[in-house]
Amino acid sequence: NAGVTQTPKFQVLKTGQSMTLQCAQDMNHEYMSWYRQDPGMGLRLIHYSVGAGITDQGEVPNGYNVSRSTTEDFPLRLLSAAPSQTSVYFCASQRERIGELFFGEGSRLTVL
Amino acid sequence: AQRVTQPEKLLSVFKGAPVELKCNYSYSGSPELFWYVQYSRQRLQLLLRHISRESIKGFTADLNKGETSFHLKKPFAQEEDSAMYYCALRESGGGADGLTFGKGTHLIIQP
Repeated sequence: NAGVTQTPKFQVLKTGQSMTLQCAQDMNHEYMSWYRQDPGMGLRLIHYSVGAGITDQGEVPNGYNVSRSTTEDFPLRLLSAAPSQTSVYFCASQRERIGELFFGEGSRLTVL
Repeated sequence: AQRVTQPEKLLSVFKGAPVELKCNYSYSGSPELFWYVQYSRQRLQLLLRHISRESIKGFTADLNKGETSFHLKKPFAQEEDSAMYYCALRESGGGADGLTFGKGTHLIIQP
């Protein structure tokens, strides 16, 4: 039981490049979310999903797209990376609406 | 909108000393409060939630609605308690979108 798996763990991009952060969970959780963690800012919600085919914006959605074609996967796409998107990204899942969050190990992204 | 404030970015205490990590919130409804912890090179994980009223790894936290606080306490700090601690609030009726994190407190336990 791997829990929440994120790839890649590290990535360096140039401004304007695109990439996808992958997130997969094997716990059959309906709810999944993406956070970014910045020094002095804590964790901020980017996008979330309450089930396959349903996504919505969080606090800081600009510059990011998500999709949820399956229960297991919740990729985060950066269409045109900017230095302001340099951060550590965490994917999380939860079994129920008010449940505990289970986090991935994080993906450290640097945009030059 | 709810807000979670952790006034200390960094807290350093000696091993064996009491620890208190402060968390204050502003929310007009009945919130759910949590403490999440991130140890070095480990995932963020739930430490405790106020509705459970339990002690985890010697830590306790009491929701004080009058003072709108949810401070995390431990009577005798241990070196393995060194970590990043986040207080989080879920608004009543909130789900995946209803969780707000504080900015975190880095706790360092000195030997």
